[in-house]
Amino acid sequence: AQTVTQSQPEMSVQEAETVTLSCTYDTSENNYYLFWYKQPPSRQMILVIRQEAYKQQNATENRFSVNFQKAAKSFSLKISDSQLGDTAMYFCAFMKTGAGSYQLTFGKGTKLSVIP
Amino acid sequence: DTAVSQTPKYLVTQMGNDKSIKCEQNLGHDTMYWYKQDSKKFLKIMFSYNNKELIINETVPNRFSPKSPDKAHLNLHINSLELGDSAVYFCASSQVSREGRADTQYFGPGTRLTVL
Repeated sequence: AQTVTQSQPEMSVQEAETVTLSCTYDTSENNYYLFWYKQPPSRQMILVIRQEAYKQQNATENRFSVNFQKAAKSFSLKISDSQLGDTAMYFCAFMKTGAGSYQLTFGKGTKLSVIP
Repeated sequence: DTAVSQTPKYLVTQMGNDKSIKCEQNLGHDTMYWYKQDSKKFLKIMFSYNNKELIINETVPNRFSPKSPDKAHLNLHINSLELGDSAVYFCASSQVSREGRADTQYFGPGTRLTVL
């Protein structure tokens, strides 16, 4: 079974600064996806970024980027130029890519507060 | 044009009642899911349906039953509601390739269930 660990229950960052959220995972699989989802106070689960394990290049989406270290089983999220709208819970998630493997395994989340 | 929608968004009911939560997706995906988010914000898979076939059932009490009338809908029925069922329930959907690999999951807005 896979496990996902987010070791920072809460974090805060000044507006316009950069913050990094950490995530580690444990798996014996070689092929998988990793995701970061954002859950603002509205409760909606919003996909932030996705990384395929076979890709060495780190994924980026505008101000969001990841540092994917496959050997270390680490998948951190960097948010640059933090904005007030980035205030949310952030969940790291793992998904195997083999046939019949569809479930997402989530970490416990990191509550990020962006301070004006 | 909501991609994944759920009704109702809020549900307050008495212990022992039977209730349903509806989910619809207009993304043309062939796999749908139900997740439960507990009071500590932890998200866990409950069910997934692929081509009208249940493919995951994660130690969920049999009072919970998913029902899929077609590929675009996956409803969640809950019988004999208990206090511990109070949570936020999320529906999600994704596309599964011919090789059986699932793509990114997209979530509905969630249904907050409160059992009194």
